[in-house]
Amino acid sequence: KAGVTQTPRYLIKTRGQQVTLSCSPISGHRSVSWYQQTPGQGLQFLFEYFSETQRNKGNFPGRFSGRQFSNSRSEMNVSTLELGDSALYLCASSLRGQGIDTQYFGPGTRLTVL
Amino acid sequence: AQSVTQLGSHVSVSEGALVLLRCNYSSSVPPYLFWYVQYPNQGLQLLLKYTSAATLVKGINGFEAEFKKSETSFHLTKPSAHMSDAAEYFCAVIGSPGGGNKLTFGTGTQLKVEL
Repeated sequence: KAGVTQTPRYLIKTRGQQVTLSCSPISGHRSVSWYQQTPGQGLQFLFEYFSETQRNKGNFPGRFSGRQFSNSRSEMNVSTLELGDSALYLCASSLRGQGIDTQYFGPGTRLTVL
Repeated sequence: AQSVTQLGSHVSVSEGALVLLRCNYSSSVPPYLFWYVQYPNQGLQLLLKYTSAATLVKGINGFEAEFKKSETSFHLTKPSAHMSDAAEYFCAVIGSPGGGNKLTFGTGTQLKVEL
């Protein structure tokens, strides 16, 4: 069974631009969560989607948004990029989105904002 | 709100020595606890998880962790370190078993294994 895939793996943008990252969960998984990882703030939860609905949201500004499609694939968008948005963005999928479920992480998208 | 604290941002052990990575949790409800490992330029891989079925949890690659409610701890151990264990390890908690799966992570412990 294929794992969680994220595209692109690496991305370079300039301040003020916007970016869209994509995540394809494991087949059959309905929950997708996004995390931001930076050296200073560590791993922080962005949001979770389940059956196309945002179920939970972290403490990030409105520039960060996401969505989930009917096939459970998810995208996250960051508008008006800032230097501080440079990070590794990780996507995780789980079967039902319950705490007991194992979350499987993708390899991440490394975003660099210049 | 639930949280986890990892003591020691860097731990160094000799190959063949015991690995002990510390994690203490804070949660107002019985938590679900996890240990993840991250190798350079990769995502996170689950080592093991505690979901209240048994206090001693065995994971992959010879790792195990014991849930101690009295000490609010969930330390990760491995009897004999291998060079391939060098990586960053994260403890994480979910404090709401009934709904949602937002993971709250610790700050991570970088494990170095020396010859």
